[in-house]
Amino acid sequence: KQEVTQIPAALSVPEGENLVLNCSFTDSAIYNLQWFRQDPGKGLTSLLLIQSSQREQTSGRLNASLDKSSGRSTLYIAASQPGDSATYLCASWSIKAAGNKLTFGGGTRVLVKP
Amino acid sequence: EAGVVQSPRYKIIEKKQPVAFWCNPISGHNTLYWYLQNLGQGPELLIRYENEEAVDDSQLPKDRFSAERLKGVDSTLKIQPAELGDSAVYLCASSSPPFQTQYFGPGTRLLVL
Repeated sequence: KQEVTQIPAALSVPEGENLVLNCSFTDSAIYNLQWFRQDPGKGLTSLLLIQSSQREQTSGRLNASLDKSSGRSTLYIAASQPGDSATYLCASWSIKAAGNKLTFGGGTRVLVKP
Repeated sequence: EAGVVQSPRYKIIEKKQPVAFWCNPISGHNTLYWYLQNLGQGPELLIRYENEEAVDDSQLPKDRFSAERLKGVDSTLKIQPAELGDSAVYLCASSSPPFQTQYFGPGTRLLVL
């Protein structure tokens, strides 16, 4: 059974500092790994999706890497802004043989202080 | 393009009462998902539909939960009877094709008293 872990559970940084969010997963048999953002009281917004054959994806100030062999993904947010304050969740899609499921981590709650 | 629509946004009921949630996915998305999210945790999949077929309902507590997706478009999730532990946020998402980027609705916040 796939397990996805995000550490730390919460993170506070001053504005302008780079953010590094970690995600680890136990089963490397995945289709892809996705990063989401969730604002309080809202649904999830997809940020980046990395296919299992890819090493990284970039969108603006966001960059996500994937290392299947070590079961890790990292989301980098450059030059953080107060508007980046939210909870960030990663999720992996296990392949059919591993249950065909999307498993979420518990999220990292980020606060960027002005 | 309209996003995933869910209603109601909030629901307060007493235990043992029935409750239903509605979801309309993004037009053209054949895959629809229902998730349950407890406070401070990531979403957990309840059921996944491919068109009108439930292809994964292994996490759905079938003694009290039911879902349907008639005509392969919008979907309804029902709880009967509700229990105190059902208080959570119920999220709907859709994607096309399956296993790709999921688009989430705002969720329905359920409080069972």
